[in-house]
Amino acid sequence: EDKVVQSPLSLVVHEGDTVTLNCSYEVTNFRSLLWYKQEKKAPTFLFMLTSSGIEKKSGRLSSILDKKELSSILNITATQTGDSAIYLCAVEAVDFNKFYFGSGTKLNVKP
Amino acid sequence: SAVISQKPSRDICQRGTSLTIQCQVDSQVTMMFWYRQQPGQSLTLIATANQGSEATYESGFVIDKFPISRPNLTFSTLTVSNMSPEDSSIYLCSVWGGGTDTQYFGPGTRLTVL
Repeated sequence: EDKVVQSPLSLVVHEGDTVTLNCSYEVTNFRSLLWYKQEKKAPTFLFMLTSSGIEKKSGRLSSILDKKELSSILNITATQTGDSAIYLCAVEAVDFNKFYFGSGTKLNVKP
Repeated sequence: SAVISQKPSRDICQRGTSLTIQCQVDSQVTMMFWYRQQPGQSLTLIATANQGSEATYESGFVIDKFPISRPNLTFSTLTVSNMSPEDSSIYLCSVWGGGTDTQYFGPGTRLTVL
């Protein structure tokens, strides 16, 4: 059964801390791995990763895919209260363009 | 990226009634999906909306309960029929393909069923 597992489920840090969120997957016919940030309703797109070992970076956020280990990490440096959100990992399969979502990591950044 | 709008953004409905949610995209897209996110849960795919044909439903979801239309490449509707409190969720449409390189989500519809 295809699945995506995220860890930790929740995390509380203080402003300025660095956090690492994990995503592991077992999905046949892998096409890409996606990270989203969800604050209120709709997830907003952060990164799409298709190639192993290539880091994607946007400001204080970065992510990398390890296809050998079937996993990805999302790093946030110098966290701010505005980073508080649920971070979702999704894996896209080639078959029928299906997307499998993890349960998310709820990040709470305290002042 | 695609600009996606959903209507209504939120609604409170009585048990036994139906609600139709609209999803509009500003460009033609290949795929449109409907998701549900129940409180404290991750996203669950309801169905893939197919242009000009019946939607493809995931296990646990049926057309009678969640009829979907997609008359063209930029618009889709999801109806939540004969609602019960268990249908209280955020409903999200998403798009992929066409001018988009990945999956983007609409702003969502927060539904509360009393």
